[in-house]
Amino acid sequence: DIQMTQSPSTLSASVGDRVTITCRASENINSWLAWYQQKPGKAPKLLISEASSLESGVPSTFSGSGSGTEFTLTISSLQPDDFATYYCQQYSRFPYNFGQGTKLQIK
Amino acid sequence: QVRLVQSGAEVVKPGSSLKVSCKTSGGTFSSDAIGWVRQAPGQGLEWMGGIIPIFETANYAQQFQGRVTITADESTSTLYMELSSLKSDDTAVYYCARGSTSWYFDFWGQGTLVAVSS
Repeated sequence: DIQMTQSPSTLSASVGDRVTITCRASENINSWLAWYQQKPGKAPKLLISEASSLESGVPSTFSGSGSGTEFTLTISSLQPDDFATYYCQQYSRFPYNFGQGTKLQIK
Repeated sequence: QVRLVQSGAEVVKPGSSLKVSCKTSGGTFSSDAIGWVRQAPGQGLEWMGGIIPIFETANYAQQFQGRVTITADESTSTLYMELSSLKSDDTAVYYCARGSTSWYFDFWGQGTLVAVSS
């Protein structure tokens, strides 16, 4: 199975900050990576697919990059609504595992 | 608009089985990929398995092999996930989710809370 490892597990930041979350795959997944945002008590929301393709309606402050085994999700200027938990997911090969999550909290 | 509506919360006993339904609308039922993902309290997302109804055959994550069955009923556009031999650590919110072009998920059900307790 392909293992997905996110870092950091927790990230403290302030409104207006630029933050980056990293996701590493245990083997090459090309660009078959998605990012999700999840808030407490809610289902995950798709932000980015194919490593860097922003979903419709997602603010342009979000961006994704990377290929192969290393990927990043960047929020260029944190807004109050962005404080949530973020997950990466590989969909290169079954089983389509998720990373363990990164909780973005207010400093 | 694509919608996935799941069945309601359940409390079940250890050793029993549960069956969660996921009724879809607005998509292309037979060719959409539908995955099942669970989330234990305070934990991350765990991919359980999935199915593309037109192919009929489901794939399951190894840790659930032999305990989980995913099926699709095209006549009602409903998917089902059955999990047997339940244990306390199966207590979780179970989600169904749709992938239209691949196995990443653009629409999710609201989640079904399952509590395993004697």
